[in-house]
Amino acid sequence: ETGVTQTPRHLVMGMTNKKSLKCEQHLGHNAMYWYKQSAKKPLELMFVYSLEERVENNSVPSRFSPECPNSSHLFLHLHTLQPEDSALYLCASSQDRFGGVHGYTFGSGTRLTVV
Amino acid sequence: DAKTTQPPSMDCAEGRAANLPCNHSTISGNEYVYWYRQIHSQGPQYIIHGLKNNETNEMASLIITEDRKSSTLILPHATLRDTAVYYCIVNFGNEKLTFGTGTRLTIIP
Repeated sequence: ETGVTQTPRHLVMGMTNKKSLKCEQHLGHNAMYWYKQSAKKPLELMFVYSLEERVENNSVPSRFSPECPNSSHLFLHLHTLQPEDSALYLCASSQDRFGGVHGYTFGSGTRLTVV
Repeated sequence: DAKTTQPPSMDCAEGRAANLPCNHSTISGNEYVYWYRQIHSQGPQYIIHGLKNNETNEMASLIITEDRKSSTLILPHATLRDTAVYYCIVNFGNEKLTFGTGTRLTIIP
């Protein structure tokens, strides 16, 4: 248990579905992140939130919509995804938007399959 | 341009020390060296970081050369649970964390 909890662990969805990924951190951190990890590829940073404000959006398609209602929770809303969006989606948090002394703490991820 | 270069894969016998190298020849004076690892299908885990001096914690030791152009992560007594992808990242500590392809370390029984 890292202190960053992601649900669900696995998700299978059709291309016309709408679903949401949830991330919750119990570490008192002020920054949260979404990363995508496709097969055989490095982790790709998608979104950065600092103090509940989105501070970075790395050219992510609009079918991915993040939401950060408070500093402990982060959501990734998904709609009309494509099969190539199948990947491991990882949430992370850190003391501040620049990592802090102990770097980032990651959750275990949600394995998403789009059919 | 990649800031670090790591071998794509390494093997190490169980119980032996695993020494993972990383080259960062263009590192700036204020950039830190961070190490993370990712066990299969889990999120990355912070291991250790350093600036100039060697560092040690309960997980590993980090040896940074005097010119800071390379470093070595040492797992003193590798176990099967240390099988993972290890990432060496150079970062000012005030910017986003960017991962490369890392070194896939396999611990052999």
